[in-house]
Amino acid sequence: DTAVSQTPKYLVTQMGNDKSIKCEQNLGHDTMYWYKQDSKKFLKIMFSYNNKELIINETVPNRFSPKSPDKAHLNLHINSLELGDSAVYFCASSPRVAGYEQYFGPGTRLTVT
Amino acid sequence: TQLLEQSPQFLSIQEGENLTVYCNSSSVFSSLQWYRQEPGEGPVLLVTVVTGGEVKKLKRLTFQFGDARKDSSLHITAAQTGDTGLYLCAGRGTSGTYKYIFGTGTRLKVLA
Repeated sequence: DTAVSQTPKYLVTQMGNDKSIKCEQNLGHDTMYWYKQDSKKFLKIMFSYNNKELIINETVPNRFSPKSPDKAHLNLHINSLELGDSAVYFCASSPRVAGYEQYFGPGTRLTVT
Repeated sequence: TQLLEQSPQFLSIQEGENLTVYCNSSSVFSSLQWYRQEPGEGPVLLVTVVTGGEVKKLKRLTFQFGDARKDSSLHITAAQTGDTGLYLCAGRGTSGTYKYIFGTGTRLKVLA
């Protein structure tokens, strides 16, 4: 019954590695997002897709690449991981773009050593 | 760049007390949302306000959107330990943007 799910929940890896985080929503929503929450709990949007089309692409290093195979899935691939990438990454979805409630996943805590 | 400053940053109170959290910006927002986040979980939407001056109530929580749509407040009456969490406001700009900008957060701890 989970609305927005993410895997893995925890990810510990070394600098320079490449890793992916997966997100799935079963709410039938059109729009999905990736957010990064830093150690001070500041939540910042990274990307958003609407019906598999990229609509928000914030100033994020190009080592981060989102992919949406269908509107229920949004994955995040990170190349050449750096210490500063350590954070909690949240996936979210909303029924439509703009002005609608966002449903967040449980988060993926990424630790780069 | 639109910024949303929340105050206070931290708040520790006794059960039964009242409190107010503020969310301020110099920018105008078309709508504003409040979320609560508990440790190890994602934020959960509490309310969305869209009209300047709008007041919404959710049980013991009262939300107000400023008349100029640049600020908002969250008032909790008779706080309970279950209110403990991180409160986040999020505003959407007026220029047709799709995204919400999140505030700096207020960590509330309600002591028994």
